[in-house]
Amino acid sequence: EAGVTQFPSHSVIEKGQTVTLRCDPISGHDNLYWYRRVMGKEIKFLLHFVKESKQDESGMPNNRFLAERTGGTYSTLKVQPAELEDSGVYFCASSQLPGGSYEQYFGPGTRLTVT
Amino acid sequence: SQKIEQNSEALNIQEGKTATLTCNYTNYSPAYLQWYRQDPGRGPVFLLLIRENEKEKRKERLKVTFDTTLKQSLFHITASQPADSATYLCALVSSGGYNKLIFGAGTRLAVHP
Repeated sequence: EAGVTQFPSHSVIEKGQTVTLRCDPISGHDNLYWYRRVMGKEIKFLLHFVKESKQDESGMPNNRFLAERTGGTYSTLKVQPAELEDSGVYFCASSQLPGGSYEQYFGPGTRLTVT
Repeated sequence: SQKIEQNSEALNIQEGKTATLTCNYTNYSPAYLQWYRQDPGRGPVFLLLIRENEKEKRKERLKVTFDTTLKQSLFHITASQPADSATYLCALVSSGGYNKLIFGAGTRLAVHP
C-alpha cells in the first residue's frame, strides 16, 4: 500500500510569487490534514478535510493560504502571494477515521523556501 | 497560556540502556496523547497512543505512561539501539479540538554503540 505522497519535495520561490503544494493521501482515507513546521518551532496544525469538506481550518494563518480537496481525493495548498515567514516544511497526513484515537499517516513533507 | 514542553536538549545514551523522554503540558485537557518518531527529511511516524483514562501502554520495547494529575507523559525505550536514534514528538489531542494533533517541539535521541 502506497503511503502519503507530497509534491514537490522542495520549492524555492521569491516573495510575492505563488506556490501550490499537492498531497495524495492513502487510498480510502477520508480524513486529510495539513500541518507545517517553521524554522525552530513545533509542527502546527493548519486544517482538516473530511472528504471534500473543510472540517476545521482554525490553523490557517491568513487568507493568503487556500486549501482545496476537490472530489475528496488529493488536496492542494496554495500560498498566494508568498511571504518570507511562510518558509518551512509543510506536512500532509491522512487517517481512515477521524478523532485523536486514530493514528495519522504523514507524508515526507514539502520544504518551502521563500526568498 | 497553553504549552507542551519536551526536553529541548538532545538525549545521549549508551546502547542497551533505557531512554526516557518527557512530555509536560499546561492548560490542556487531552483526551489522547500520541507519540511519533521523526527522522531527518521525513514525516512523523506514529508509535503509540494512550487515552486519558489509561496509565500505561506498551508495545514491544516501547512504553508510555500518562499522568493527568502531573500533566505529564513519559516515553521509554528499553534495550535501546543505535537505530532508535531520531527525534521523538509527543502530540496531544485536546478534548475541545477532537481531530487535530498539537505537537511538542520534540526531543532528539542519540543512542551510541
